[in-house]
This record gives sequence, structure tokens and C-alpha cells, in this order.
Amino acid sequence: QQKVQQSPESLIVPEGGMASLNCTSSDRNVDYFWWYRQHSGKSPKMLMSIFSNGEKEEGRFTVHLNKASLHTSLHIRDSQPSDSALYLCAAPDTGKLTFGDGTVLTVKP
Amino acid sequence: DMKVTQMPRYLIKRMGENVLLECGQDMSHETMYWYRQDPGLGLQLIYISYDVDSNSEGDIPKGYRVSRKKREHFSLILDSAKTNQTSVYFCASSPGQGAGNTLYFGEGSRLIVV
Repeated sequence: QQKVQQSPESLIVPEGGMASLNCTSSDRNVDYFWWYRQHSGKSPKMLMSIFSNGEKEEGRFTVHLNKASLHTSLHIRDSQPSDSALYLCAAPDTGKLTFGDGTVLTVKP
Repeated sequence: DMKVTQMPRYLIKRMGENVLLECGQDMSHETMYWYRQDPGLGLQLIYISYDVDSNSEGDIPKGYRVSRKKREHFSLILDSAKTNQTSVYFCASSPGQGAGNTLYFGEGSRLIVV
């Protein structure tokens, strides 16, 4: 069964700073990833997906994908307190998604 | 408005009692899922349903069963609940089969088994 590893487990950044989150799959066949965000006490919501090698930017959020290393990263610039949440990475696994344990991001005002 | 609705939102049961968690979606999505989430952990897939009466085990199906008799409705049943089934359960739906589709989650059902 595929493992999706996320690092770091937790991260504290100052308001206005840059947050960088990492995710790696153990399955060499993985070629795309999803990022979901879950605020405390709420349900996960899709944040971004990346299907092609390289970079994808949406506002303050940028996702990178390196298929060769089975690695994706999420970068949040100008972090805001409202970005504080659990960030979950997910990779495909025989028709379903396998989620990592997540990174807890705290943005300090 | 796209919505996945879960009932009940909070539930306390005694060990050995039966539990029924219900989920509905108004998007006519083919695929529906049940996940559980424990503190500090990600989402673990319990069951996946590809359509009415077309259900498959996920990664942790033991102790659970599901029912899908209408496309818009997916139930999770715990026969004789155990304390280690205390968790938050999330239902989700997606518009197609396969992992390339966005999952839409309900707000979760918090189950405590005492």
C-alpha cells in the first residue's frame, strides 16, 4: 500500500512570511497530487491539484511537482492568520486517494 | 448549491450498540466515500461506493459496512460499536470514478463510543 509522507509535521510562520510544505509518495507510479486544507473543526476542502511537472500558481499559493522524485511542495507567500490549518497531501492509489498525515500550519500575527 | 450533508453530527454510543451514520449529496455524484480521521492523523478510507449497490472496501473496512440504495445517499453502519471506533467520520463525493476528481466532504460526524 502506498505511503504518503508529509513534512514537517507542524510549522509556525510569522504573518506575512513564507510557508513551505513537503510531500512525497512511496509509489513510483504516482504522477499527480492533490492538496486539501482543513481548518480546525471543519471538513477538508480541495486547495490545489497538480498534474504536470513544474509549477502552478494560484494567488498566494504555489505548488511544485517533480514526478521523477515523486515529490510535491506547497508554498504560501504572505501568509495570513486565516491560513492556519491542517494541510493534507493526497496521491492516487489504484483509483482512490491516499492521504498523508498532514502538516499543521500556524501563522502568528 | 453543492453540498454533502451528514447526520448526525455528534453521537455518543455505548460499546456493543449499533451505529448508523448517514450521508447525502445533491450533486448526482457517482462516487461516494467514507473516511475516518483520528487526532494528528490524515484521512483513512473505510469504504468507497462507485454507484448504487457497487461498493468496495477501502483500507480499513473491518468493523464497518455500508449501504447505497440511492445515488444521493450513502450510509455507514457499525454493528456492535467498539471503543476504538471513536473518531470523526467524513463522507465525501466526487463526480467520477478514479482519483483524478475533486472530493467534496461533508462536515463530519463525531462518534464517541463509551
